[in-house]
Amino acid sequence: EDKVVQSPLSLVVHEGDTVTLNCSYEVTNFRSLLWYKQEKKAPTFLFMLTSSGIEKKSGRLSSILDKKELFSILNITATQTGDSAVYLCAVDGIGNEKLTFGTGTRLTIIP
Amino acid sequence: DGGITQSPKYLFRKEGQNVTLSCEQNLNHDAMYWYRQDPGQGLRLIYYSQIVNDFQKGDIAEGYSVSREKKESFPLTVTSAQKNPTAFYLCASSIGPETDTQYFGPGTRLTVL
Repeated sequence: EDKVVQSPLSLVVHEGDTVTLNCSYEVTNFRSLLWYKQEKKAPTFLFMLTSSGIEKKSGRLSSILDKKELFSILNITATQTGDSAVYLCAVDGIGNEKLTFGTGTRLTIIP
Repeated sequence: DGGITQSPKYLFRKEGQNVTLSCEQNLNHDAMYWYRQDPGQGLRLIYYSQIVNDFQKGDIAEGYSVSREKKESFPLTVTSAQKNPTAFYLCASSIGPETDTQYFGPGTRLTVL
């Protein structure tokens, strides 16, 4: 059974700090790992990492995938209050028709 | 505008009643999904559908039913058999059944009184 574990469960930092969120996984025939940001309602897509794209960056957010050690990190630099959200990690395996999600990390940025 | 819509936003139900949550998308996506979200448990898959007139059970299908008569629509019925239905329900869609990126609707919060 596919499994995703995120850590920490929650994190509180001050504006301007840098944070690192962790996602470890077990999946049969790994195909991709996805990061989502969920503020109040629907999760919004951030990144997809695959065997051919193990590092992604968008503005202050970046993510890397370590396929050997089976984990990914999401990095946010110079955090802002708008970064406060739950960050979800999900994995997909070849032949799967569904994603397996972790429980999420709740990030709170204090002004 | 293209997107996924869910209705209602909030729903209250008495014990023993069935309720149906709506999910519509105009993205021309083949695959659609229903998730349930409880505090501290992430997203859990209830049902998913790869194409019209076909759907499969997810990890927690008991007490729920779905239909997929149209490509755009994937309604979820929460039946009285669902023991603990109070939760936040999210619908999602993706281009195809094995396309990774799923796009989510705004969700429906169901409360059983």
